[in-house]
Amino acid sequence: GAGVSQSPSNKVTEKGKDVELRCDPISGHTALYWYRQSLGQGLEFLIYFQGNSAPDKSGLPSDRFSAERTGGSVSTLTIQRTQQEDSAVYLCASALAGLNEQFFGPGTRLTVL
Amino acid sequence: AQSVAQPEDQVNVAEGNPLTVKCTYSVSGNPYLFWYVQYPNRGLQFLLKYITGDNLVKGSYGFEAEFNKSQTSFHLKKPSALVSDSALYFCAVRDPNTGGFKTIFGAGTRLFVKA
Repeated sequence: GAGVSQSPSNKVTEKGKDVELRCDPISGHTALYWYRQSLGQGLEFLIYFQGNSAPDKSGLPSDRFSAERTGGSVSTLTIQRTQQEDSAVYLCASALAGLNEQFFGPGTRLTVL
Repeated sequence: AQSVAQPEDQVNVAEGNPLTVKCTYSVSGNPYLFWYVQYPNRGLQFLLKYITGDNLVKGSYGFEAEFNKSQTSFHLKKPSALVSDSALYFCAVRDPNTGGFKTIFGAGTRLFVKA
């Protein structure tokens, strides 16, 4: 079946602009995660959604970052007033709650000029 | 809060030799532990997990990991390394008792297997 998809694959924007990153999880997966991976670095947890529960936003680095998950499926990560330090690969993953392991999308490479 | 450490930025090993990639963790309860691999220009892939039961868990591509509660470690091992194992490896921990589904990843260890 189809895996996790993310769009766009690459995004170049100017400092101060807003960007939206999209994630389509695997159908039926109740958990959805967003991570940030800076060049050569580890994964930084940003936010997760689990079913209808309130999302855990504890990893969002500032109030410029927000995320939504509509209808328990597609998720959008929004970064307002982008800064150069926001440049990174943004990874989305989904999971079946009972199995725990996450399935990752290919990521969106964000470059803020 | 849960945390995970991968003390080695890089591990070098010759093909055919055993390999170990180290991981230690900190949680307040019983951990769920994971290893993921990121091959060049490819997405992150799940390798194996420890939830409960046998301390030695086996995963994909001949990898295994041993959960050691007293040492709070979950080292990744393979008896005989292949050049194709060269990749970036991430250890991850989840504390279901306090953190829900939140999963924390280590900084990653780059494995180089030399022919």
